Amino acid sequence: QSALTQPRSVSGSPGQSVTISCTGTSSDVGGYNYVSWYQQHPGKAPKLMIYDVSKRPSGVPDRFSGSKSGNTASLTISGLQAEDEADYYCCSYAGSYTRVFGGGTKLTVL
Amino acid sequence: EVQLVESGGGLVQPGRSLRLSCTASGFTFGDYAMSWVRQAPGKGLEWVGFIRSKAYGGTTEYAASVKGRFTISRDDSKSIAYLQMNSLKTEDTAVYYCTRDFSGSYFDYWGQGTLVTVSS
Repeated sequence: QSALTQPRSVSGSPGQSVTISCTGTSSDVGGYNYVSWYQQHPGKAPKLMIYDVSKRPSGVPDRFSGSKSGNTASLTISGLQAEDEADYYCCSYAGSYTRVFGGGTKLTVL
Repeated sequence: EVQLVESGGGLVQPGRSLRLSCTASGFTFGDYAMSWVRQAPGKGLEWVGFIRSKAYGGTTEYAASVKGRFTISRDDSKSIAYLQMNSLKTEDTAVYYCTRDFSGSYFDYWGQGTLVTVSS
């Protein structure tokens, strides 16, 4: 299946909010509440930030939130901090026990 | 503390085989599904495949890009997951991550990754 569609880059100033979209189809994002988001700093392994659309793992700041409407999921980061600068990837269950990732979004904190 | 440590990466010629290992600690390995995710240089993440826990049959699922060439297995007595890669292609060049797969829904822990380079 095709990768989910994310903007290549987004940016914001410290303290602001940014939203990263993740668009799929009714066969993946729209069909299941199994969307997750991962943060990846350069040279590091990805880290789970949001799972099951909007749930936050223990230890992830509540500045990170997730939502979904139709075939599009979104990750919102409020109160931007310098350490939030990273690549972000969405991932969705895509049926038949497969998963599909988005192409990734580079977040720049100005 | 949950830890996943991959090993076995390296340089391999096209058409050859390579086996990666993922050694787990800090949790009851046999209770969890495990997935492999890869990332080509400068590119995004790609799910490769996963293996269910023995409680769910220990069966496997794969991405279309590797089906028939890659095989995932597990040794619960050693807390190790394996990724056997056959008929390797240059496009399989990537960092390969081992992940703990929670209920087929998300990947809650990741290893540090191991680089596989397929080149003549």
